[in-house]
Amino acid sequence: SAVISQKPSRDICQRGTSLTIQCQVDSQVTMMFWYRQQPGQSLTLIATANQGSEATYESGFVIDKFPISRPNLTFSTLTVSNMSPEDSSIYLCSVEGPGELFFGEGSRLTVL
Amino acid sequence: GENVEQHPSTLSVQEGDSAVIKCTYSDSASNYFPWYKQELGKRPQLIIDIRSNVGEKKDQRIAVTLNKTAKHFSLHITETQPEDSAVYFCAATKREYGNKLVFGAGTILRVKS
Repeated sequence: SAVISQKPSRDICQRGTSLTIQCQVDSQVTMMFWYRQQPGQSLTLIATANQGSEATYESGFVIDKFPISRPNLTFSTLTVSNMSPEDSSIYLCSVEGPGELFFGEGSRLTVL
Repeated sequence: GENVEQHPSTLSVQEGDSAVIKCTYSDSASNYFPWYKQELGKRPQLIIDIRSNVGEKKDQRIAVTLNKTAKHFSLHITETQPEDSAVYFCAATKREYGNKLVFGAGTILRVKS
């Protein structure tokens, strides 16, 4: 199984600011996924991040709002830009392992 | 694209009873159907999955059934225990490299002791 570490685990942010979430995996993986889980809701894929190429965003998510970096095969960052209260969510990093998708513990953001 | 619907949204059962959660999917090409359990404040974790070449799979008190013709699959938990209380998500995808999982809306299961 893959061990995924996310930082920060939680944060309270002011409207209009940006926050970068880090995701570290204990093994090299080609693809990393960023999901959003709004309060009491399901998991929605934001984007897929491949090392060495631009991230692929899902419908409704744009690079200007959620820029992603993928500098190597074990690390990725997701930035939530110009935050509003509607961005208050849990953001989860995930990777594919043998036979399943593994998730990090998530980063719980509250935007005031 | 794939669309997954999940029912019920909440389910309360008495300890020892069975719980059943149902999901339907729209894309007949989907061939992989995992179930995730998410305890309060924790990450989602895979509890069981099934592939389209199998109709049923069981792991101790948990079983999943798949009806490809009707495009629906179900999670069955027998002899429920308080520690089964959590949110359960079904998902579907065509199991190819890089294909994303599409999740259902989730079911809050409460097991009353």
